[in-house]
Amino acid sequence: EVQLVESGGGLVQPGGSLRLSCVGTGFTFSSHEMNWVRQAPGKGLEWVAYISSRAETIYYADSVKGRFTISRDNAKNSLTLQMNSLRAEDTAVYYCVRDRGIAARPVYWGQGTLVKVSS
Amino acid sequence: QSALTQEASVSGTVGQRVTLSCTGHGNNIGTYAVVWFQQISHGVPKTVIFGNSLASGIPDRFSGSKSGTTASLTISALQPEDEADYYCSTWDYSLSAWVFGGGTKVTVL
Repeated sequence: EVQLVESGGGLVQPGGSLRLSCVGTGFTFSSHEMNWVRQAPGKGLEWVAYISSRAETIYYADSVKGRFTISRDNAKNSLTLQMNSLRAEDTAVYYCVRDRGIAARPVYWGQGTLVKVSS
Repeated sequence: QSALTQEASVSGTVGQRVTLSCTGHGNNIGTYAVVWFQQISHGVPKTVIFGNSLASGIPDRFSGSKSGTTASLTISALQPEDEADYYCSTWDYSLSAWVFGGGTKVTVL
């Protein structure tokens, strides 16, 4: 069974930093692209960042470019999102997501971790 | 403003056929497969359709299609448990971004 478990969310002040982690089990982690997708309270889904299976290709949403860094450690089946210079508008549930579904592969979601940016 | 456009809401009675649409452009839907997600009461999104395939565990009353730059999700016989928000998504090569629609709220009357 595919499982994605996020951790690292919490309350942080504006301008602060937070590091989210995700561990994937039940599949060959190193063979799959990974993403972070977030959902602000009462809002829709917003893609944040993408990393290819071997970390050769990385993309970011314009809203987080220059502030967030996505990385992965295939030896540990883990995905990380380093978030710096956090703003109130970054408040959201952050999901670790396997694949984008465009290559005939199903998309799997973690349970999400809440990040709240507030003073 | 989302790169993909969805109806804000759709409603129907039990057993009714409903269709949700997702309109994009040549650089996204016109090029890549579309994925549909179901989110019940702001819980964890669940994959319903990816490309032409029904996700595991999803009833076969759900189906997806695409024509040009518009994708559709059809529920052939609406059930009370189908009440949820539905999001379409795909890759956009011009933006180098995974884009989502704004979501359609399906209400069962």
